[in-house]
Amino acid sequence: QVQLHQWGAGLLKPSETLSLTCAVYGGSIGGYYWSWIRQTPGKGLEWIGEINLGKNTNYNASLKSRVTISVDTSKNHFSLRLGSVTAADTAVYYCVLRSPTGYYFAYWGQGTLVTVSS
Amino acid sequence: QSVLTQPPSVSEAPGQRVTISCTGSSSNVGAGYDVHWYQQLPGTAPKLLIYGNNNRPSGVPDRFSGSKSGTSASLAITGLQAEDEADYYCQSYDTSLSGSVFGGGTKLTVL
Repeated sequence: QVQLHQWGAGLLKPSETLSLTCAVYGGSIGGYYWSWIRQTPGKGLEWIGEINLGKNTNYNASLKSRVTISVDTSKNHFSLRLGSVTAADTAVYYCVLRSPTGYYFAYWGQGTLVTVSS
Repeated sequence: QSVLTQPPSVSEAPGQRVTISCTGSSSNVGAGYDVHWYQQLPGTAPKLLIYGNNNRPSGVPDRFSGSKSGTSASLAITGLQAEDEADYYCQSYDTSLSGSVFGGGTKLTVL
């Protein structure tokens, strides 16, 4: 059974960089796309971006200038960095595995609340 | 202002049937991209409920079903139970945005 466990700093000041890491356990996950999604009360669920094991990335155009998603295949970890954060980036961030056979999100991490406040 | 449009809330009595709509456009649902549904119980991460318009992952009861037609999709839940009280989200791919898009979510209340 595939499980995702994520961690990272939960409180940031404006202009700092958000950094989260997700570890993937169990199952055959080689074909999946490793993704990040965030959820805010105001904007709901928002796809941030994804990476595959070939290290090909796709990013939400609205965040692309500030986002980097990377993968460490030796550890089955992948990471999110979001630079120059503002209060608008306050959200619950989820690491997620997107299916290799369809554009749907099969497995979700537990979520990390990230608050940006001065 | 989500790309996919869902009703904010629906409610129905236990044992009854409820449907939740999801309306997209010609750049996502209408372009032929599949619609997927997620259930989010309070305080938890979303969970895949329906994929590929009408397929249930292992473990999802057959009380849940999905359909798609044109630029819209629907999630139907029959034999409502108290445990079905949750937020439900639809999701698809948008070719104009080159990424995944979600509906704003529908809160289901079991009366």
